[in-house]
Amino acid sequence: GENVGLHLPTLSVQEGDNSIINCAYSNSASDYFIWYKQESGKGPQFIIDIRSNMDKRQGQRVTVLLNKTVKHLSLQIAATQPGDSAVYFCAENSGGTYKYIFGTGTRLKVLA
Amino acid sequence: GAVVSQHPSRVICKSGTSVKIECRSLDFQATTMFWYRQFPKKSLMLMATSNEGSKATYEQGVEKDKFLINHASLTLSTLTVTSAHPEDSSFYICSARPGGSYEQYFGPGTRLTVT
Repeated sequence: GENVGLHLPTLSVQEGDNSIINCAYSNSASDYFIWYKQESGKGPQFIIDIRSNMDKRQGQRVTVLLNKTVKHLSLQIAATQPGDSAVYFCAENSGGTYKYIFGTGTRLKVLA
Repeated sequence: GAVVSQHPSRVICKSGTSVKIECRSLDFQATTMFWYRQFPKKSLMLMATSNEGSKATYEQGVEKDKFLINHASLTLSTLTVTSAHPEDSSFYICSARPGGSYEQYFGPGTRLTVT
């Protein structure tokens, strides 16, 4: 399935640079997508979401891009800060159920 | 708003005993609650979906007799790990969904260690 236990990829960025975290989702019928941030020992924290009728949505310092053609989702973080260091997960929701399917996650390391 | 709590935050139990984890929506009514399990450096794996007043729906490969779920009210769901074994040691996370919404609000997680 989508959540098989794969090694967690790591993205290292310099403080102040922009970060781009990518996610390939699995179900072409998914119509709602969410990005979560998870710090060690804590539950997921909502960052931003997007519905399938949009291809871009911006928040404070974050932008989510959705490419339904290739089933790809990305999270852009502007001016990355040390506090952004965490594991980031994308999740997709198919309209037929309320269940979320989580991606494998990416660890973001911000270098001072 | 939309706060979800879990209790306990961490628990250590002996092999063969049972452990109950509570998930509460503090400021909204949760039509549906979800239970996830997360192993170290891995993603969240959905275990079961719990609707208030009805039986939980378990994901493939999750033993319903081992992971008992009760959703007795619109603000409380419990997960009981029965006859726990060391391989059940994990981070258990719940989420709650208000009626009419696709959004899920996550709890802070419960670290279970079975010795």
